[in-house]
Amino acid sequence: QQQVKQSPQSLIVQKGGISIINCAYENTAFDYFPWYQQFPGKGPALLIAIRPDVSEKKEGRFTISFNKSAKQFSLHIMDSQPGDSATYFCAATGSYQLTFGKGTKLSVIP
Amino acid sequence: DVKVTQSSRYLVKRTGEKVFLECVQDMDHENMFWYRQDPGLGLRLIYFSYDVKMKEKGDIPEGYSVSREKKERFSLILESASTNQTSMYLCASSLSGGQGASYGYTFGSGTRLTVV
Repeated sequence: QQQVKQSPQSLIVQKGGISIINCAYENTAFDYFPWYQQFPGKGPALLIAIRPDVSEKKEGRFTISFNKSAKQFSLHIMDSQPGDSATYFCAATGSYQLTFGKGTKLSVIP
Repeated sequence: DVKVTQSSRYLVKRTGEKVFLECVQDMDHENMFWYRQDPGLGLRLIYFSYDVKMKEKGDIPEGYSVSREKKERFSLILESASTNQTSMYLCASSLSGGQGASYGYTFGSGTRLTVV
């Protein structure tokens, strides 16, 4: 079974700090790496995604860093806000089916 | 606003009942998926479908079946509900083709099922 390993399982960050969530994958055929954000009572929503031909992608306060040789990618949330408190899932695919990490519950405290 | 709609937000069913969870998407997506979400276990794929009347088993299909008679509708069926099927169920859809997932999944808001 193809796996995407995500860490940490939970994360507490103070307002204004940097939140970092890490993922590692095994399948070198993966070529699309999205991150999903899920608020309580809602389904996951696509947050940001990257392809392995770039090492970094930034959208506002959210940045994906990608290390192809290490088969790792990470989500950085700069200037974290209480409104960022949610569960974050990394994922990867090389076809039409996503493989998800197990999720990270982020709590941003004032 | 495009969306995936799950018919129920909350359901309470009795052990042994046959349960139907309905999902409808309005984006003309070929691919549709059913996941269950449990604390600490993430999103686990139950079944998926890449075309009308087509279905494929995911990672945890036991105790479930699916039906896709129309492109926009994908139903999850619990043949005989058990307490260990108490969970959040999420439906998703994506564009077709070998790289369909590259356009991202659109998820519904989920159905929280409790089996008593």
